[in-house]
Amino acid sequence: QLLESGGGLVQPGGSLRLSCAASGFTFNTYAMIWVRQAPGKGLEWVSSLDVGSNSIHYADSVRGRFTVSGDSSRNTLHLQMNSLRVEDTAVYYCAGYKYRYGIDPWGQGTLVSVSS
Amino acid sequence: EIVMTQSPATLSVSPGERATLSCRASQSVNIDLAWYQQKPGQAPRRLIYGSATRATGIPARFSGSGSGTEFTLTISSLQAEDFAVYYCQQYNDWPLTFGGGTKVEIK
Repeated sequence: QLLESGGGLVQPGGSLRLSCAASGFTFNTYAMIWVRQAPGKGLEWVSSLDVGSNSIHYADSVRGRFTVSGDSSRNTLHLQMNSLRVEDTAVYYCAGYKYRYGIDPWGQGTLVSVSS
Repeated sequence: EIVMTQSPATLSVSPGERATLSCRASQSVNIDLAWYQQKPGQAPRRLIYGSATRATGIPARFSGSGSGTEFTLTISSLQAEDFAVYYCQQYNDWPLTFGGGTKVEIK
């Protein structure tokens, strides 16, 4: 139901744009979020976009460098990542979120590697 | 930021035994807490939301409890497919935060 793309290898200071295509559920009824997981580490929420309320949130670790956007007509979520750092290396998951229900569904993830 | 702390970090359990996982919040999150299971190479899967409500398709051997700052996930009789890492997550306030995870391994 959620399919991420756009991951890859990039040098420190570089940029990447992740995309997430949603199918089988109504995009506008969820807040769409990005969660990342560094190699061998736990889960970290990155950003969220609620198209219905036009509400956007960012983790402190990415604020000012990452920009989340969405295209409800195409059921697509994006994450523009600029000024990438080595510590941004992670699998990035796209997911749906509803207050009171938690995070579901999840995409399969896309790997972002930041290295020189 | 609400800090979520899970214990233990690793839990060694024999198949068929009961597993009890703990999660503590640094401030009250009411019942705005979910549990997720993650297996190697896979995305997390939601098990429990609202502290105690099983998600669709989740077996009855998984149960959640707690409110405020103390929460528990219990797996009543561990099956082979239950050996995985489990995360708690609060959604009472932004930023959404996860615990560090509990790895349930075969004893």
